[in-house]
Amino acid sequence: GNSVTQMEGPVTLSEEAFLTINCTYTATGYPSLFWYVQYPGEGLQLLLKATKADDKGSNKGFEATYRKETTSFHLEKGSVQVSDSAVYFCALSRNQAGTALIFGKGTTLSVSS
Amino acid sequence: DSGVTQTPKHLITATGQRVTLRCSPRSGDLSVYWYQQSLDQGLQFLIHYYNGEERAKGNILERFSAQQFPDLHSELNLSSLELGDSALYFCASSVEAEQYFGPGTRLTVT
Repeated sequence: GNSVTQMEGPVTLSEEAFLTINCTYTATGYPSLFWYVQYPGEGLQLLLKATKADDKGSNKGFEATYRKETTSFHLEKGSVQVSDSAVYFCALSRNQAGTALIFGKGTTLSVSS
Repeated sequence: DSGVTQTPKHLITATGQRVTLRCSPRSGDLSVYWYQQSLDQGLQFLIHYYNGEERAKGNILERFSAQQFPDLHSELNLSSLELGDSALYFCASSVEAEQYFGPGTRLTVT
């Protein structure tokens, strides 16, 4: 079946450090891939997405590239800020309208100044 | 702000009780999804409605039910509540594969 595996957290970084959060997936066909972020006490916000192989999603300095050959969608940011502290979820959905998201377990990022 | 609203924000109730969670999707979105977020299970899909009709079920217990009304708002009904039902319940509405989440309802069963 379809599934998403994320690196376990927590990830603790100093401000301006480089961030990578690994995400790999198992899916039939060609899913769409997403990163969502959940700030403390809030709901999930869509951070970025990619809908086909080699697509790069980007937003707010975060990037992720859809790699079909390695079934990966790793999240990166060149210089993290304290305000990036949150839980990050990798997710997939089958590429058709009306299908539910399948989430990874989430990775907690803590950035200190 | 995603444009998806959920009420109430917090709910505290006792075991055996029944509660109703409400969700209003973004203007124009016909799909509503319900998800449960708990520490042990993570984020799990419960049920999907499209324009008033049930489209898919995930890991939804028989004690739980949902419906979507003609104005497209949706309600999730949880009955015979158990301690293990304590969780955050999110709804999301969608445009194609992209889903936008509400702020969630935190349910505490005591």
